[in-house]
Amino acid sequence: AQSVTQLDSQVPVFEEAPVELRCNYSSSVSVYLFWYVQYPNQGLQLLLKYLSGSTLVKGINGFEAEFNKSQTSFHLRKPSVHISDTAEYFCAVTHHGSSNTGKLIFGQGTTLQVKP
Amino acid sequence: KAGVTQTPRYLIKTRGQQVTLSCSPISGHRSVSWYQQTPGQGLQFLFEYFSETQRNKGNFPGRFSGRQFSNSRSEMNVSTLELGDSALYLCASSLQGAGDEQYFGPGTRLTVT
Repeated sequence: AQSVTQLDSQVPVFEEAPVELRCNYSSSVSVYLFWYVQYPNQGLQLLLKYLSGSTLVKGINGFEAEFNKSQTSFHLRKPSVHISDTAEYFCAVTHHGSSNTGKLIFGQGTTLQVKP
Repeated sequence: KAGVTQTPRYLIKTRGQQVTLSCSPISGHRSVSWYQQTPGQGLQFLFEYFSETQRNKGNFPGRFSGRQFSNSRSEMNVSTLELGDSALYLCASSLQGAGDEQYFGPGTRLTVT
């Protein structure tokens, strides 16, 4: 069975500082990995995805993530955050297979609080 | 291209009633997935439809059901509502489902009193 663990429920950071949101996954098969962001009273917006190939993935709004197969991690990073990055961030995993169609397994979420 | 739309955005129901939520996917997307989001349980997969067929189902009771129409629009129904069904219900569409990135709608906030 697949699972996702987001290691921090809340991450406070000052504006223009770097940030890392941590995500570890568990799966016995090859995975696809995603990071989504949710602003208050909105749905989820895709930040970036790892399907295959280069382990460093760049996404929207200056975010990037690195897939580490040996450590089963997919941490999200941004070198300099803005107030507007304050939101909840979700790591999600799926794999290609008939038993898993259309199903994303999400972590519990990390609230990023950017302070001025 | 228009995004995923969900109606209604907010809904208040009484215990024991039933409710139907609607989701219109992005044009050309054939897979629609539904999720329940609550503060306690987080985001949980309900089911996925593709070409009018349910292909995958999460671990929810039979009170939760859905369907998909020939134009890929999907509806979700919850019968005999319980207080614990209060949640944000999100639908997401993708091209084929498996491994594709999912695009989410804004959600329907259901409150059961």
